[in-house]
Amino acid sequence: GAGVSQSPSNKVTEKGKDVELRCDPISGHTALYWYRQSLGQGLEFLIYFQGNSAPDKSGLPSDRFSAERTGGSVSTLTIQRTQQEDSAVYLCASSRLVGQPQHFGDGTRLSIL
Amino acid sequence: GQQLNQSPQSMFIQEGEDVSMNCTSSSIFNTWLWYKQDPGEGPVLLIALYKAGELTSNGRLTAQFGITRKDSFLNISASIPSDVGIYFCAGPTNFGNEKLTFGTGTRLTIIP
Repeated sequence: GAGVSQSPSNKVTEKGKDVELRCDPISGHTALYWYRQSLGQGLEFLIYFQGNSAPDKSGLPSDRFSAERTGGSVSTLTIQRTQQEDSAVYLCASSRLVGQPQHFGDGTRLSIL
Repeated sequence: GQQLNQSPQSMFIQEGEDVSMNCTSSSIFNTWLWYKQDPGEGPVLLIALYKAGELTSNGRLTAQFGITRKDSFLNISASIPSDVGIYFCAGPTNFGNEKLTFGTGTRLTIIP
């Protein structure tokens, strides 16, 4: 598609379950970014990929969070043993090259019961 | 870490009015970005600024990169209903520009 695609658009799960969020960047974009947006707040940077590698994982909130990217395209953000404070909108963005303006998907709204 | 403060937090205006909002930082930024976010959607890039003092327009939107490199302004002229949303400023946290810090947002509401 023309834009960044994220799935699912909404996810409701019970505390303690694992969740996997998917991001399909704009075709040809080598850089991919994950952000988290809590209700009524700005965006919090989590991690970025240059190709398939993530040079800096320090933005991930805890070791329950992990992300991977394969084939230089689709990325998945996994949250293990979810907690209620993980409830937020998880946004993915991509850019043609690292450092160029980032274009966002519509996010996955995650609700932990 | 770097923080971006936006003001005002919210604005209530009538259709046709001009809008002005700003973003200030505790440290220098080399790039300023302005995004708009509609409910249930991701932020959409409006304007990107790369040079101190730069003034850039995109239709009814005009943004300026402050001379001090610690602030930026966004103006919207002759507001219309579709301007409603939350406006975020953002800037790269690091030299490589891959980590963006986002401001707290300005929520724009148009009173009928």
